[in-house]
Amino acid sequence: GAGVSQSPSNKVTEKGKDVELRCDPISGHTALYWYRQSLGQGLEFLIYFQGNSAPDKSGLPSDRFSAERTGGSVSTLTIQRTQQEDSAVYLCASSAAGQGETQYFGPGTRLLVL
Amino acid sequence: KQEVTQIPAALSVPEGENLVLNCSFTDSAIYNLQWFRQDPGKGLTSLLLIQSSQREQTSGRLNASLDKSSGRSTLYIAASQPGDSATYLCAVEGSARQLTFGSGTQLTVLP
Repeated sequence: GAGVSQSPSNKVTEKGKDVELRCDPISGHTALYWYRQSLGQGLEFLIYFQGNSAPDKSGLPSDRFSAERTGGSVSTLTIQRTQQEDSAVYLCASSAAGQGETQYFGPGTRLLVL
Repeated sequence: KQEVTQIPAALSVPEGENLVLNCSFTDSAIYNLQWFRQDPGKGLTSLLLIQSSQREQTSGRLNASLDKSSGRSTLYIAASQPGDSATYLCAVEGSARQLTFGSGTQLTVLP
């Protein structure tokens, strides 16, 4: 079946604007993760959703970042009042049951904040 | 806090060579370890997942080993090909379920 998809693939925005990034996980996967990959920082965890449980938001870098997952499927990562340091590739992953399962990654959204 | 280190940061080899990529982690309380491949401008492709109770996993020309007690894993690539050129990332999953990644090894296989 289809893999993890993300949109948009690229996003250029001006400092101070809000952006929304979308992730469609693999159908039937209950766990969904957001990661960020930036130059000099490597890949870092942002947030994790598992079924109907409260999300693990421990990786979100500031209160400008938020995410939701509607109906246990599609997820949206929102960055408010973007800053230049938010420029990075935002990667979404999903897995069948969460802990101990292979995480499958989408192609990412490349965000550039001018 | 878990820290993952990958050595070397970059590696260039002629086609046909066997090679080993190294990964070490500081906290041995892991659930599993995954090796990924990332091509330029692309997402991550999972190569192998080793559960904490396992010692190794094999897929084609790839073999990954795990020594949980010493905090080490290796990825062995046999008979390397130019198509193997990519960045290889090691990641461990702990009790918090998210993956902690190393900084990667950039591999170039020369024809």
